[in-house]
Amino acid sequence: SQKIEQNSEALNIQEGKTATLTCNYTNYSPAYLQWYRQDPGRGPVFLLLIRENEKEKRKERLKVTFDTTLKQSLFHITASQPADSATYLCASWEGSARQLTFGSGTQLTVLP
Amino acid sequence: EAQVTQNPRYLITVTGKKLTVTCSQNMNHEYMSWYRQDPGLGLRQIYYSMNVEVTDKGDVPEGYKVSRKEKRNFPLILESPSPNQTSLYFCASSLIGQPQHFGDGTRLSIL
Repeated sequence: SQKIEQNSEALNIQEGKTATLTCNYTNYSPAYLQWYRQDPGRGPVFLLLIRENEKEKRKERLKVTFDTTLKQSLFHITASQPADSATYLCASWEGSARQLTFGSGTQLTVLP
Repeated sequence: EAQVTQNPRYLITVTGKKLTVTCSQNMNHEYMSWYRQDPGLGLRQIYYSMNVEVTDKGDVPEGYKVSRKEKRNFPLILESPSPNQTSLYFCASSLIGQPQHFGDGTRLSIL
């Protein structure tokens, strides 16, 4: 089955800088990748979805890329703010299995 | 308001005492799913359901049961809970293949 690796457990950056989070998948190219935000004690909240045939998606200060050659998605937060501090989860949708497989997440801390 | 509601939010119980965690959604979603979240392991899918009376095992189904008798409800049943089922549980729903809406979680402790 698919394995999703988010290779930074924790990432600290200064306010105003761009945060870049990495998500790698190990097997077949997923139909699409999803990114979620999770705050302590709360359920994940959907942020962005990028399909296999899309290179890049943007939403306000967020940008996601999908590189099928590298088997990787990058998630960027520009002009980061302390309020962006949270755990960010990458997930792969496997259409045939009808399953969403999550990575273990990257905990982002934006320092004022 | 569109939401996924789980109950209870917190539960401490003892080994072997059957329990049910309820999950209800008001968005008419076909797809519903249960996950458990453990430190360092991320979210792992327990069971999912594509529609009423259609359920399938996820990655970690052992020790759990589910049912989908109505579209809006998807209860998680632990027939004989054990301490290794102590975890944070999330229910989620969506249209098939679309982003999932999560509940606020149930923190379960089994002594």
